[in-house]
Amino acid sequence: EAQVTQNPRYLITVTGKKLTVTCSQNMNHEYMSWYRQDPGLGLRQIYYSMNVEVTDKGDVPEGYKVSRKEKRNFPLILESPSPNQTSLYFCASSWAGAGEKLFFGSGTQLSVL
Amino acid sequence: DAKTTQPPSMDCAEGRAANLPCNHSTISGNEYVYWYRQIHSQGPQYIIHGLKNNETNEMASLIITEDRKSSTLILPHATLRDTAVYYCIPHSWGKLQFGAGTQVVVTP
Repeated sequence: EAQVTQNPRYLITVTGKKLTVTCSQNMNHEYMSWYRQDPGLGLRQIYYSMNVEVTDKGDVPEGYKVSRKEKRNFPLILESPSPNQTSLYFCASSWAGAGEKLFFGSGTQLSVL
Repeated sequence: DAKTTQPPSMDCAEGRAANLPCNHSTISGNEYVYWYRQIHSQGPQYIIHGLKNNETNEMASLIITEDRKSSTLILPHATLRDTAVYYCIPHSWGKLQFGAGTQVVVTP
């Protein structure tokens, strides 16, 4: 089954403790991206990747890192999480080029205490 | 990416058609108009997209004006499961911006 898999589904952590949220897709998509969703602010793009070893900033990249060493994986790294990074995170992927639809993961609810 | 304007909310009776408007007056020539929806806090779900022509699939129809400055998503027979936030997104490739969307509530 074609899917985008995010892990974990829920995560509670403390300020400053490094964490990684994983994202994997099985559709051989070139494009992958991360979003955060906060009440009243909608979905905002954090980072995106056009292909392996190619990443670029979205609208809210501060405090996040990403890497794209393999086509199927696009982990989101919070090296020193802070409470303002408490949010619902989504990963998405698509084939390359205009006119391609995004497939979204089920989301990761992160709480930073 | 182009900015969009959508009504914040809309009610629709079950079984009736729901027409969701979207203004995207700054859309550029290579941007498609995409529609996604998000049910509660689930991952957004693709509905339909188009460039210039009207499009129809099993979920919905998309009407794009000739000047491409606005579009309308039509859910032909709304059901209770269509209650969701609907996002209209002009997009080509790369950076992508969601707006606030339209909260659609389908009532019995």
